[in-house]
Amino acid sequence: NAGVTQTPKFQVLKTGQSMTLQCAQDMNHEYMSWYRQDPGMGLRLIHYSVGAGITDQGEVPNGYNVSRSTTEDFPLRLLSAAPSQTSVYFCASSYSVQVPYEQYFGPGTRLTVT
Amino acid sequence: GESVGLHLPTLSVQEGDNSIINCAYSNSASDYFIWYKQESGKGPQFIIDIRSNMDKRQGQRVTVLLNKTVKHLSLQIAATQPGDSAVYFCAENHQAGTALIFGKGTTLSVSS
Repeated sequence: NAGVTQTPKFQVLKTGQSMTLQCAQDMNHEYMSWYRQDPGMGLRLIHYSVGAGITDQGEVPNGYNVSRSTTEDFPLRLLSAAPSQTSVYFCASSYSVQVPYEQYFGPGTRLTVT
Repeated sequence: GESVGLHLPTLSVQEGDNSIINCAYSNSASDYFIWYKQESGKGPQFIIDIRSNMDKRQGQRVTVLLNKTVKHLSLQIAATQPGDSAVYFCAENHQAGTALIFGKGTTLSVSS
């Protein structure tokens, strides 16, 4: 299994540009989520999904969209990039929304918005 | 408000020492807690978890203690090794099926 994969690893955007961060998992996990991590901070939840066709907002959803058309993929879209969105983005998945709740994280995408 | 925080942002220990990383949480409804390890440039990696109906859980070289009375969680690492150097996060879940709330992290530095 490849686990959770994320592309790209690095990205530089100009303010106002849009882009999609890709996330895929091959573990048939129902639960997937996106976090952002800023220096000195813990991970903050952006959006999550409990299954194909179902998404919901997390702690910091503004400026981001998600969709979940398949179990495997959970892309994160930045609609109009802003410097405040400069961060490292992690995608995670879990086999179940029920406890135990171990989440598997991808390697991250480092995004810089200038 | 709801928060999961750590007492110290950094912890420096000698190789072979035991390390204790602390975490305080404020939501008494939290029922599940996880410790993650994050090495530089990588995503967080699961270490150990504990449910609120337990006080202690042991893994390989790690022990998590939960004190619900004072809403405190700790991670003990026995015989700390240089490979244990990383940022350690505690996380809580208080709404099953929604989200984990992460603390800010403690950076553990192990010198040989």
